[in-house]
Amino acid sequence: EAGVAQSPRYKIIEKRQSVAFWCNPISGHATLYWYQQILGQGPKLLIQFQNNGVVDDSQLPKDRFSAERLKGVDSTLKIQPAKLEDSAVYLCASSRSPPGTGVNEQFFGPGTRLTVL
Amino acid sequence: AQTVTQSQPEMSVQEAETVTLSCTYDTSESDYYLFWYKQPPSRQMILVIRQEAYKQQNATENRFSVNFQKAAKSFSLKISDSQLGDAAMYFCAYTTNAGKSTFGDGTTLTVKP
Repeated sequence: EAGVAQSPRYKIIEKRQSVAFWCNPISGHATLYWYQQILGQGPKLLIQFQNNGVVDDSQLPKDRFSAERLKGVDSTLKIQPAKLEDSAVYLCASSRSPPGTGVNEQFFGPGTRLTVL
Repeated sequence: AQTVTQSQPEMSVQEAETVTLSCTYDTSESDYYLFWYKQPPSRQMILVIRQEAYKQQNATENRFSVNFQKAAKSFSLKISDSQLGDAAMYFCAYTTNAGKSTFGDGTTLTVKP
């Protein structure tokens, strides 16, 4: 089966600009995650979707970050306006299991490396 | 909030030897899941092994095994017969029943030939 796809792979922007990332999860996976991974740290959850509904967005900086999952499949993560501290790798992951039915592994995409100058 | 601590930023092992990576976590829940993921340089993160908290038996997957101590909230990963391809960053992840994961900051494993 095809893996989790993300684009773009790299993005360089100036601070205060906006940027959007795209993720296509593995077909049939109900749960989709966006993580922020700053260099030298572990992934930090930004938002978790089940189908097209938000399960958890408690760590999403909502004044500048937004995310949506259209029709329960693809997802986009947007940053507007970007700050220097947003420089990181943004990982998308998907999992077969909806919350509450047992937890399966997460399959990760290759990530988008964002540099904010 | 759950926290996951990996106290060894870097570890090194000789090829064919055994190495153990440490992970501790903090939670008030009794039912949860624990994972070890591997992130090779410039490559995608992949699952190494998983453990359900309600299972007393330690998980094993070929050369990889865990030592799960629920009371101590400890979840270490043992890699036996280390291979050059095991060199990577290893992340311990605590996951709730709702599927929400908290990751540690990782351990970089170097395998020496």
